[in-house]
Amino acid sequence: QKEVEQDPGPLSVPEGAIVSLNCTYSNSAFQYFMWYRQYSRKGPELLMYTYSSGNKEDGRFTAQVDKSSKYISLFIRDSQPSDSATYLCAMMDSNYQLIWGAGTKLIIKP
Amino acid sequence: NAGVTQTPKFRVLKTGQSMTLLCAQDMNHEYMYWYRQDPGMGLRLIHYSVGEGTTAKGEVPDGYNVSRLKKQNFLLGLESAAPSQTSVYFCASRTVLNDRVTHEQYFGPGTRLTVT
Repeated sequence: QKEVEQDPGPLSVPEGAIVSLNCTYSNSAFQYFMWYRQYSRKGPELLMYTYSSGNKEDGRFTAQVDKSSKYISLFIRDSQPSDSATYLCAMMDSNYQLIWGAGTKLIIKP
Repeated sequence: NAGVTQTPKFRVLKTGQSMTLLCAQDMNHEYMYWYRQDPGMGLRLIHYSVGEGTTAKGEVPDGYNVSRLKKQNFLLGLESAAPSQTSVYFCASRTVLNDRVTHEQYFGPGTRLTVT
């Protein structure tokens, strides 16, 4: 079993929909939780991060961490075609290494 | 600032050939990483470096070697390429603030390698 599980998709939704992307993990020692966005044929870029449990909002994006359930989510409101990308979750372990999910490919249809 | 750059962008090798991938960063970051990305498997760490002259193995180091002779450069070598090393390779860097490793990694654009 992988330390971080993420559904690879693809997830296809119409423009304007609310998108929910999720990851589950098994290591209770993870503290930093991150979402990276990767456009086709590009390197990943940090989108949002949270430290420990709770919610964090940035414009149309909300990151949520539930440490009791070992579950993190990224919500995208009013989704746009430009949001079409692969979204990777990542978590930092006690050695400062990032443990990555497989990435979910998101397609926003105009 | 160019950020993190990778050379070459694309390469096709025959089985048994060798090559070196170059990563350069102009942000004065201490930490540098080499990952490979394969469909459905996310990013897997090959090797990393916490400073000039030091390297360490990651999750999938077999078949690869690295060197960090200068702080700004991190080289990934394939001594005898195999088809299983067909992948997209990403380099990343990370800095230290107040003696603590920051969480964000900055990635290069990737190198697409095909081994036939």
